[in-house]
Amino acid sequence: DTGVSQDPRHKITKRGQNVTFRCDPISEHNRLYWYRQTLGQGPEFLTYFQNEAQLEKSRLLSDRFSAERPKGSFSTLEIQRTEQGDSAMYLCASSLIAERVAKNIQYFGAGTRLSVL
Amino acid sequence: LAKTTQPISMDSYEGQEVNITCSHNNIATNDYITWYQQFPSQGPRFIIQGYKTKVTNEVASLFIPADRKSSTLSLPRVSLSDTAVYYCLVGDMNRDDKIIFGKGTRLHILP
Repeated sequence: DTGVSQDPRHKITKRGQNVTFRCDPISEHNRLYWYRQTLGQGPEFLTYFQNEAQLEKSRLLSDRFSAERPKGSFSTLEIQRTEQGDSAMYLCASSLIAERVAKNIQYFGAGTRLSVL
Repeated sequence: LAKTTQPISMDSYEGQEVNITCSHNNIATNDYITWYQQFPSQGPRFIIQGYKTKVTNEVASLFIPADRKSSTLSLPRVSLSDTAVYYCLVGDMNRDDKIIFGKGTRLHILP
């Protein structure tokens, strides 16, 4: 257990429905990342936050995707009007970026597996 | 972020030492080399990180030659539970904002 928790672990939905995933990072970590991983591939970066500010979004993140991190604590990733191509594992990671912390080591949660029927 | 090349898959036997080599010819001065391990249905897990020469922790060793254009992750006396995908990543961990994963090396440990 890395200390990063994701909920739910599995989600099955029908095409066109909206889904929302939650990530609780390690409490003192100021950075939070979202990745997507499909079978046989490495994780692909989607977006990241430093505290509550969303600093970068991948071009993979279409308009149907939105992420928030209110108050710089937990984060949610919402997918609107899901498509079958959205089926994947959605991974959250957190890290501590600070002046005296030399390396950006990311700690990953177990992921949320989304299946869009 | 420097591009990395590593074998797609490897097989080994329990009790053996496994070495996975990663090539990163375009590594920059400020880049570190980091390895992650991923089991099925889990997120990647940090294993080890280094800049040059040798780094060892309770899980693995990382060997980096002087030119830093490659690195070798060494797993001593592997067991079946070491069957996983191993990712080699190179980047300036003080500056880079995200990790770019390749496909990794699928290590299969046989009894």
